[in-house]
Amino acid sequence: QVQLQQWGAGLLKPSETLSLTCAVFGGSLSGNYWTWIRQPPGKGLEWIGEINHSGSIIYNPSLKSRVTISPDTSKNQFSLKLTSVTAADTAVYYCARSRGFFDIWGRGTLVTVSS
Amino acid sequence: EIVLTQSPGTLSLSPGERATLSCKASQSVTSTFLAWYQQKPGQAPRVLIFGASTRATGVPDRFSGSGSGTDFTLTISRLEPEDFAVYYCQQCDNSPPWTFGQGTRVEIK
Repeated sequence: QVQLQQWGAGLLKPSETLSLTCAVFGGSLSGNYWTWIRQPPGKGLEWIGEINHSGSIIYNPSLKSRVTISPDTSKNQFSLKLTSVTAADTAVYYCARSRGFFDIWGRGTLVTVSS
Repeated sequence: EIVLTQSPGTLSLSPGERATLSCKASQSVTSTFLAWYQQKPGQAPRVLIFGASTRATGVPDRFSGSGSGTDFTLTISRLEPEDFAVYYCQQCDNSPPWTFGQGTRVEIK
């Protein structure tokens, strides 16, 4: 049974860098696709980007200039960094496994950007 | 970017009634790459349907998905109290970004 555990700072100031990590338990980072998705309070879901099983990474063009997703196969983890955050980046951030659809999700991390 | 438009925004129904949720795509989506999710307050979304019509593991058979091309439907045959939630469609066809609809809230009438 694959499970995802995520963590990271929950309160940031404008212009800081958001940093989240997602650990994969019960399965391997390799051979799967892994993604980050966010949801502003009271709003819908936005796909941020994903790592595929061959190690290549794709991003949402709307965030591409500020986002980095990177794997750490030695720890069976992957991470998200989002630079120069603003209040518009306030959201619950989810990691998930992608199979063309997102079948396993982390519990989510609320990240609030406020001065 | 493929835009998914869900309707209605809110569906007010009573337990036992049938719910029909629509998801329309701005361009054709291969059925293989269309999924539906349920989200309850404070929880991560849960996949209900993938490949437009295949129920995910553990999903009751009162949930069904159909459609092709640009028009997809999620049907809940008889609403149970635990089905009142927000539902999203999602696609990952062609090129990124993968996108979600804006959601349909199914509320108790």
